[in-house]
Formats: sequence, C-alpha cells, structure tokens
Amino acid sequence: GAGVSQSPSNKVTEKGKDVELRCDPISGHTALYWYRQRLGQGLEFLIYFQGNSAPDKSGLPSDRFSAERTGESVSTLTIQRTQQEDSAVYLCASSLLGGAGELFFGEGSRLTVL
Amino acid sequence: AQSVTQLGSHVSVSEGALVLLRCNYSSSVPPYLFWYVQYPNQGLQLLLKYTSAATLVKGINGFEAEFKKSETSFHLTKPSAHMSDAAEYFCAVSAATGTASKLTFGTGTRLQVTL
Repeated sequence: GAGVSQSPSNKVTEKGKDVELRCDPISGHTALYWYRQRLGQGLEFLIYFQGNSAPDKSGLPSDRFSAERTGESVSTLTIQRTQQEDSAVYLCASSLLGGAGELFFGEGSRLTVL
Repeated sequence: AQSVTQLGSHVSVSEGALVLLRCNYSSSVPPYLFWYVQYPNQGLQLLLKYTSAATLVKGINGFEAEFKKSETSFHLTKPSAHMSDAAEYFCAVSAATGTASKLTFGTGTRLQVTL
C-alpha cells in the first residue's frame, strides 16, 4: 500500500489476555518503529528494527512486551497478560534506512484493557 | 543520547495572531530535528525537518522553524494562525549518524486557535 498500515485499528480486551498488533510498513522502508501514546501524553519509544533485527529495544516497558519483524516487512507487537495501564494507542512508523530520520506513521491501534 | 523539551503543553492564540511553539533539544551528537503535527483522530505527519542544511526551515501550511545551535532551540512559528491549525504539535530529535536511529519526541503542545 501507499502508507503504513496497522491492524486492528481498535482492540478491546480483558485484563490478563494476550494481544497482537500488526504493522505493514511502506514497501522498501527498512527501518520500522513502535511507539506508545497514552491518552493526553506524548509518544513513548518502544522499539525499532533495522531490517529484521532490533538494535534498540530499550523502550519496551516489561518482559510482557515483545516484537518481531520478518522479511524486512511486517512487524508484530505482542503484549502478554495485558494490564489496564497498557491501554494506549500503539503507533507504528517506517523510514528509509540512511534517510534523514523522517518517519511515516500509521494511524495506530487503539488498545483498551478492561 | 537525545532529548527534547517542549515548553507549554497548551498554547492558545487568536486567529490571525503569531504562533510560537517552543522546543529545546539536548544531543551529544549533531542532531536532526523535526516537527510533527497530529490533527484530531489522525496519525502524525511531518511538518518540517532540519538536517544540517539551512538553519531556517520552511514546512507545510506556512510553518517554519529556525535551528539555533547556541540556544539549542528549534522553535516553530507561523505568522498568522488559522482555525485549521488547531492540533497537537510534537518536536522530535534523532542522531545525525546517516543511518536510521530512533526519534525521541517531546511531550507535545496542543495549539488552540480562537476567533
């Protein structure tokens, strides 16, 4: 597609359940990023990929969070045993490796943990 | 390590007035600097970026920003606000290493434009 695509756009789950969020980056973009945006707050960096490897996963809040990327394309962010504080919009972005850092964002996946 | 500080979580201006959104950065290496805008219920989009060329950068919708190394600032301005400018604005910094690196965002400034 022309832009970054994320799914689902909305997810409501019960506390303790696992969720998977998917990101399809712009074709040819080798760098992929995950950010979290809590209501009324800024963007919190989670992890980024160069190709299929993750040089910086320093932002993952706990070991309940993990992410993978395959084929230098699709990425999945998994949250295990969700907690209410995980409720947020999860944003994915992609960029050209070696570019001047311009990120192209998807519209996000809104996660609500009841 | 890089960080940005946005002064003022909320800014309100009258339509037609000057818009000034403040951003100060901290970086141990030469930075790339960005302003992104997020309209209600939409994703983020790039307004403008500084990548070590001209220090005065012009972006979309009449916005511009000036990189001032001595002041470690990258403030966003627009001479005349329009109602459609109401949105959340984020300043961001990354390391100018020539390869992709993480973009660190400020906490955002919500711009309100009144009649």
